[in-house]
Amino acid sequence: EAGVAQSPRYKIIEKRQSVAFWCNPISGHATLYWYQQILGQGPKLLIQFQNNGVVDDSQLPKDRFSAERLKGVDSTLKIQPAKLEDSAVYLCASSPLQGPSGEQYFGPGTRLTVT
Amino acid sequence: DAKTTQPTSMDCAEGRAANLPCNHSTISGNEYVYWYRQIHSQGPQYIIHGLKNNETNEMASLIITEDRKSSTLILPHATLRDTAVYYCIVRVGGYQKVTFGIGTKLQVIP
Repeated sequence: EAGVAQSPRYKIIEKRQSVAFWCNPISGHATLYWYQQILGQGPKLLIQFQNNGVVDDSQLPKDRFSAERLKGVDSTLKIQPAKLEDSAVYLCASSPLQGPSGEQYFGPGTRLTVT
Repeated sequence: DAKTTQPTSMDCAEGRAANLPCNHSTISGNEYVYWYRQIHSQGPQYIIHGLKNNETNEMASLIITEDRKSSTLILPHATLRDTAVYYCIVRVGGYQKVTFGIGTKLQVIP
């Protein structure tokens, strides 16, 4: 079974520029998550989708971050405009079940550097 | 979600058992204990989870105290590949979001 795919793996941009990340979850997984992981910290949830609807976006900086999940499969996360403090690894995860064993499967992440 | 407390770092000799503790004194009756790990430059990886009973799978064992206020993740024979940050998380389960703390950095020493 293929894992969660993310691209690009690395991105360097200047502040005030825009950037987009793509995620393809494991086939059949209804739930998709985007996390931000700053160096030395644990991942922080930005947004959670159930199929193509948003379940939780309480920690998403909506003035500059946006995300969508078209047709309940792939997802994109966009930052516009980027700030220096957005430098982090952006992780995508998916989950197949709604029961207790709702373990999440993570992709390799996209490392963003804002200069 | 209930808060968890883990040591910041631990060392373990290769081939020995690694015992990683986690305190979760405010855990609710319907919250599970989950463990994930994150190897350097990779995304987190699910290890195991449990509610009340001890659990074992091919990766690790999870021991939960009777009062459920603490747990221990056991890697029975640690290898160098087990060097990672280990996160203990409590959550209701299903599609509820996972809230990660700082975790325990486990260093397996040759």
